[in-house]
Amino acid sequence: TQLLEQSPQFLSIQEGENLTVYCNSSSVFSSLQWYRQEPGEGPVLLVTVVTGGEVKKLKRLTFQFGDARKDSSLHITAAQPGDTGLYLCAGADSSASKIIFGSGTRLSIRP
Amino acid sequence: NAGVMQNPRHLVRRRGQEARLRCSPMKGHSHVYWYRQLPEEGLKFMVYLQKENIIDESGMPKERFSAEFPKEGPSILRIQQVVRGDSAAYFCASSPVTGGQPQHFGDGTRLSIL
Repeated sequence: TQLLEQSPQFLSIQEGENLTVYCNSSSVFSSLQWYRQEPGEGPVLLVTVVTGGEVKKLKRLTFQFGDARKDSSLHITAAQPGDTGLYLCAGADSSASKIIFGSGTRLSIRP
Repeated sequence: NAGVMQNPRHLVRRRGQEARLRCSPMKGHSHVYWYRQLPEEGLKFMVYLQKENIIDESGMPKERFSAEFPKEGPSILRIQQVVRGDSAAYFCASSPVTGGQPQHFGDGTRLSIL
């Protein structure tokens, strides 16, 4: 069974600080996605990474896929209150018939 | 383009009743996925369907739960004889090609069992 573990589970930091959240697995994934979910809403796709070592940037967010395609990280620079939410990583499973989600990192940015 | 539409947004049932959750995929999408989410947790895969076919139901309980995606109309997730433990948010996602591709999610149905 492929599993994705996210850390930390909860993170509360001051506005303007930097942070990194991690998504790790012992399995190889053909692609990995990061989503953000706000209360009462469905997850919204932020990025998909496919190639080992790939780095993608989305404004103040930097996503990296590990060389072995088993792990990924999300780095936020100069966090803002609007970044508050649940961040989920998800990987395409070995059969590529579905995506498997990590347990999420709940991020809170204090003004 | 309208996104993935789920209804109802909130559903309250008493123990033993049936719950029916509907999902209309994005226009042009023929693949539907159902996920379940408990508070403060990630989404757990339940079932993957194409039109008139169940492709993967490995995440769905064997009893009381069923899903369909008919040729016409929305996908339906049906829970019979609901119990308190069925209380959760149920999300539907759709994609135009086989899974593993980015999926567009609906805003979910929050099911509460009294």
